[in-house]
Amino acid sequence: QQQVKQSPQSLIVQKGGISIINCAYENTAFDYFPWYQQFPGKGPALLIAIRPDVSEKKEGRFTISFNKSAKQFSLHIMDSQPGDSATYFCAASMRASQAGTALIFGKGTTLSVSS
Amino acid sequence: KAGVTQTPRYLIKTRGQQVTLSCSPISGHRSVSWYQQTPGQGLQFLFEYFSETQRNKGNFPGRFSGRQFSNSRSEMNVSTLELGDSALYLCASSLGRGAGELFFGEGSRLTVL
Repeated sequence: QQQVKQSPQSLIVQKGGISIINCAYENTAFDYFPWYQQFPGKGPALLIAIRPDVSEKKEGRFTISFNKSAKQFSLHIMDSQPGDSATYFCAASMRASQAGTALIFGKGTTLSVSS
Repeated sequence: KAGVTQTPRYLIKTRGQQVTLSCSPISGHRSVSWYQQTPGQGLQFLFEYFSETQRNKGNFPGRFSGRQFSNSRSEMNVSTLELGDSALYLCASSLGRGAGELFFGEGSRLTVL
């Protein structure tokens, strides 16, 4: 119940294309869903986050779509660029509970954007 | 302002030894969390400290421990190292429990031989 399942494991997209990464969860107590981007040798950095009372959030080229009934959320990267090549992690947490800021991460998606 | 600082960045230990890793959070951040990152298990939550008290703990054996000081700096310790403890250990800070973005450091890469 604590798992967050992420797919695909790897993704190759042409420059200018749309990258889509999907995540699914079971625990309905999760109330915060962030996406992190990690470059080699660096720590993860927050890209965008959403709460379950919102179905979509957009920040620049990055959009989170959230489907509460299906317990799924996805990251869309529009106009993908070579600089977007990185590993992306979805995550979930129960901020309103004693769990605090503890994040449950998906296994990650390695995105390669070819020029 | 300065980000989360972790030291050392790289270290090599042998089985049975112990290791202490240090984390300085972003100024003003009072919550510090630790995560283990491995190729097989991904990113896994170790523990969270707030106001010098452990508030939450992940599913790791008692060999993994930590503490937080009054200036919010944190250390984690792994005793009796095993080969499987080889990993990138990441520290993250946030303003408070359940509040604000988690900012990660670049990690301490531990290799156990």
